[in-house]
Amino acid sequence: NAGVMQNPRHLVRRRGQEARLRCSPMKGHSHVYWYRQLPEEGLKFMVYLQKENIIDESGMPKERFSAEFPKEGPSILRIQQVVRGDSAAYFCASSPSLDAPTNEKLFFGSGTQLSVL
Amino acid sequence: AQKITQTQPGMFVQEKEAVTLDCTYDTSDPSYGLFWYKQPSSGEMIFLIYQGSYDQQNATEGRYSLNFQKARKSANLVISASQLGDSAMYFCAMYSQGNFNKFYFGSGTKLNVKP
Repeated sequence: NAGVMQNPRHLVRRRGQEARLRCSPMKGHSHVYWYRQLPEEGLKFMVYLQKENIIDESGMPKERFSAEFPKEGPSILRIQQVVRGDSAAYFCASSPSLDAPTNEKLFFGSGTQLSVL
Repeated sequence: AQKITQTQPGMFVQEKEAVTLDCTYDTSDPSYGLFWYKQPSSGEMIFLIYQGSYDQQNATEGRYSLNFQKARKSANLVISASQLGDSAMYFCAMYSQGNFNKFYFGSGTKLNVKP
């Protein structure tokens, strides 16, 4: 499967626990983006990463949220001490390098639905 | 700042008819890209169509076409010959060349195709 892979598909956590969401970009893609979608809303940008670098995290809450994209392995979105308001669908997307043609689109994963009890 | 507006929270269309989903955008960057994505009830985001700001012709992809009116800053999606499987949420999105790392999404339009 050459698509963007996200796991788990569904994640249930109790308040105060940690949530780890994983994203493997498409083969050959070095740019990863995380978006959050609240019910009945569009996607909101959270963070943009390249391998081992956070390029833009202007959409990330200042506390409890962090993201990484290590040299080896998937990108991880980590939410510490989850609260009910964190319940949402979290989408990962990937794209090739910025040298790609400007019509390059984002390729999305299927998302992780986080439910906080 | 970039902004995408979809003013139709929900739409109904009869099967086999055409439907237009509205999208307006705001950016001061002369170079930008406009996209439409479909999100069925299963949740995945499916790319439908792309329009570049410098493209002279409106983009078409099968039954999807993008009515691009640059002066009015609108990028409406037209679906011809609607099918029941077209029932889904539809999102308009944009990036600008000066802000490539962020796609801005509209709030979406829920399309229901009636048999």
